[in-house]
Amino acid sequence: GAVVSQHPSWVICKSGTSVKIECRSLDFQATTMFWYRQFPKQSLMLMATSNEGSKATYEQGVEKDKFLINHASLTLSTLTVTSAHPEDSSFYICSARGLDYPSSEQYFGPGTRLTVT
Amino acid sequence: AQTVTQSQPEMSVQEAETVTLSCTYDTSESDYYLFWYKQPPSRQMILVIRQEAYKQQNATENRFSVNFQKAAKSFSLKISDSQLGDAAMYFCALTTGNQFYFGTGTSLTVIP
Repeated sequence: GAVVSQHPSWVICKSGTSVKIECRSLDFQATTMFWYRQFPKQSLMLMATSNEGSKATYEQGVEKDKFLINHASLTLSTLTVTSAHPEDSSFYICSARGLDYPSSEQYFGPGTRLTVT
Repeated sequence: AQTVTQSQPEMSVQEAETVTLSCTYDTSESDYYLFWYKQPPSRQMILVIRQEAYKQQNATENRFSVNFQKAAKSFSLKISDSQLGDAAMYFCALTTGNQFYFGTGTSLTVIP
């Protein structure tokens, strides 16, 4: 159990366009989802935390108008990178936590590699 | 505030040998959990081992074990009988139940 999927796994987009990344909990209800960004050979950087039906809480320095997060259902959260630029190229990872699991547990998706040309 | 420190950016081990990865942390919370995650080249985060702070006994999962020193706020990972598939980035993480705090990672190379 506790499987989290992400789609797409790899996306290339042109500068100025928007791209949406989906994060799904496949076998549990995710009350909270987290979005991370990871640069090569670096650690995970938390971007935002989203609770189902509520507005996301963004970490300091993360542009909420650029990285739109929606957690409309208990199994789906989306991250939309608006007006993407090459500096937004990165690896994005989501994780999820559910009521059926200890609050200490987060389950990670496989990540999405975004390349902006 | 919570912090996690991994002071070894890179480590290497000979296949079948034992290696220990270091991690120190800081938190003022009394209830917390510690984790070691493995991130292979696929970049999927894989849980290696989990330790509840209230448990004195060190967690063990097959070839992986931890040395949890609560007073020293130290949480090291020992990998025994290292295998080629153990080569990866290893992240130490701390959670007080709200969010995770990750260390900067240790890149482990396994030498055949």
